[in-house]
Amino acid sequence: QVQLVQSGTEVQKPGASVKVSCKASGYTFTNYYIHWVRQAPGQGLEWMGIINPSIGGTNYALRFEGRVTLTSDTSTDTVYMQLRSLRSEDTAMYYCARGLMDGKVPAVIPPGYWGQGTLVTVSS
Amino acid sequence: QSALTQPASVSGSPGQSITISCTGTTSDVGGYNYVSWYRQHPGKSPQLMIYDVTNRPSGVSNRFSGSKSGNTASLTISGLQTEDEADYYCISYATSGTLWVFGGGTKLTVL
Repeated sequence: QVQLVQSGTEVQKPGASVKVSCKASGYTFTNYYIHWVRQAPGQGLEWMGIINPSIGGTNYALRFEGRVTLTSDTSTDTVYMQLRSLRSEDTAMYYCARGLMDGKVPAVIPPGYWGQGTLVTVSS
Repeated sequence: QSALTQPASVSGSPGQSITISCTGTTSDVGGYNYVSWYRQHPGKSPQLMIYDVTNRPSGVSNRFSGSKSGNTASLTISGLQTEDEADYYCISYATSGTLWVFGGGTKLTVL
């Protein structure tokens, strides 16, 4: 079965960076795009970006452009999300999610399988 | 890219039907048939309930249905059950900078 297992809770200081991992199993890693979504405490979902794990191609939400980097490691079937210059407003649960299905245009396939989330707290 | 507009809350009694709206623009909801809906229980990851406006993933009850008219998509839940009490989010594929945009979320209360 499809599984996405994310790394554990992080506590970082303002100005630092965080790198969250998302290890995939139960399917062919390179066939499905991975989305990243975050949710601040008590707030709604926010789409951050998407990566093609096969070639590492990415697309980022405008508000994160320049501050977030998505990468993939096909040797370990793992995707990473790095967020830099952290501020208190970045405190949130961060989710990775695999596209629901493969298809001719993977970028239009919505997130279908979700990881358990990684809580990132930014505090001095 | 502004979030899609959803009502903050809706409510219904067990057995009733409710509809949640999701309003965007011609650059997102109105321009593409790539609207999905998620249900999220407290402390849990979101669960996909509807994709591509009207399609249900395998395993999702047929009490859930989706539709779209112009720039507004809708999620209808019929035969409300207590387990349906949750937050619901729409998402749409978009142009104008950000590929995907979420709605602000709707809290469904089953009275």
